[in-house]
Amino acid sequence: EVQLVESGGGLVKPGGSLRLSCAASGFTFSSYSMNWVRQAPGKGLEWVSSISSSSSYIYYADSVKGRFTISRDNAKNSLYLQMNSLRAEDTAVYYCARKYCSGGSCYFFFDYWGQGTLVTVSS
Amino acid sequence: EIVMTQSPATLSVSPGERATLSCRASQSVSSNLAWYQQKPGQAPRLLIYGASTRATGIPARFSGSGSGTEFTLTISSLQSEDFAVYYCQQYNNWPRITFGPGTKVDIK
Repeated sequence: EVQLVESGGGLVKPGGSLRLSCAASGFTFSSYSMNWVRQAPGKGLEWVSSISSSSSYIYYADSVKGRFTISRDNAKNSLYLQMNSLRAEDTAVYYCARKYCSGGSCYFFFDYWGQGTLVTVSS
Repeated sequence: EIVMTQSPATLSVSPGERATLSCRASQSVSSNLAWYQQKPGQAPRLLIYGASTRATGIPARFSGSGSGTEFTLTISSLQSEDFAVYYCQQYNNWPRITFGPGTKVDIK
């Protein structure tokens, strides 16, 4: 069974930093691109960042570029998001999500999601 | 950026009735559209991809249609577990994928 478990959320002051983690199990983690998607309280979904299976390709939403860094450790089946210079508008539940792949083809939507970790940026 | 819009914002439906949700893209996304269901306090769940292909384990009462800029998610006979928020997402313009604002389906 595919499982994605996020951790590392919490309360942080504006300008502060936080590192999120996502522990993956139940599939060959090193074969899949992984993503972070966030959801502000009571709002919709916003894609944040993506990293390819071997970390060769990394993408960010404009809203977090230069402040957030995505990374992964395939030996530990783990995905990370380093968040610096945090702002109030970064307050959200952050989901780890697996990019869909089937039959050797991959597409930029998400077939498995973690339960999310809440990041609150407030003084 | 491709802007996704969804209508209506809220749809009130009685159990057993049909629900029709709309999603529109600001430019063509071909058939590169997915639908998700999200219940309160839960992560989104993939329902439909490729505009019309049901994801693994999704009941046949869920169906998707459309291409280009106009898409529809239909739930043929609403069950109690179907009351939720539904999001569409385009993935034609990757990595700049975008989601719609959601349609809440609640009990009439």
